[in-house]
Amino acid sequence: DSGVTQTPKHLITATGQRVTLRCSPRSGDLSVYWYQQSLDQGLQFLIQYYNGEERAKGNILERFSAQQFPDLHSELNLSSLELGDSALYFCASSVATFHSSGRNEQFFGPGTRLTVL
Amino acid sequence: GNSVTQMEGPVTLSEEAFLTINCTYTATGYPSLFWYVQYPGEGLQLLLKATKADDKGSNKGFEATYRKETTSFHLEKGSVQVSDSAVYFCALSEGGSGAGSYQLTFGKGTKLSVIP
Repeated sequence: DSGVTQTPKHLITATGQRVTLRCSPRSGDLSVYWYQQSLDQGLQFLIQYYNGEERAKGNILERFSAQQFPDLHSELNLSSLELGDSALYFCASSVATFHSSGRNEQFFGPGTRLTVL
Repeated sequence: GNSVTQMEGPVTLSEEAFLTINCTYTATGYPSLFWYVQYPGEGLQLLLKATKADDKGSNKGFEATYRKETTSFHLEKGSVQVSDSAVYFCALSEGGSGAGSYQLTFGKGTKLSVIP
């Protein structure tokens, strides 16, 4: 058990809908990362938040957005869903402080499997 | 940009066989290198890591050495077990824009099946 929790575990929805995925990082971790795992694209970084602020963006679509709340949990919002958005969405957390050496290990949650029909 | 290339699978080995999974990378600076493992139906677990050239990461009998001259980080194990069956991902992390942006860039993964 990594200490990172994600809900829900599975989500089935229809095209055009909007869903919210939730992540709670390990106790004490300030950074949250979101990744998408799909058969054709592999594992891709979407976005990172650090202590409530957006820190880095990867291959995240404009239809997707995220936020990190004061209690450090994070939500990934996916809207106007398309069939191609079906994937496993992972959240990871790390300490990632300003004074870190930059070699922080990321701890991954079990993922949310999204199926868009 | 950064990229990771690892050997395509699937790889099927008999128990106690020697394992090598090749991984090479492209990065603009001096990344940290990682191997993650994903067991069926689970999330990713860090298997081992190396943060600078010539470092050797090791865990559970697996080893990988950070080779800057060949930009490689090959995963090896001397004697695999059935329980090692999983998907293995090579990844790199390099400080991005601002402190704390150490997102991982992954290879496509190599599925390993070990048969008794």
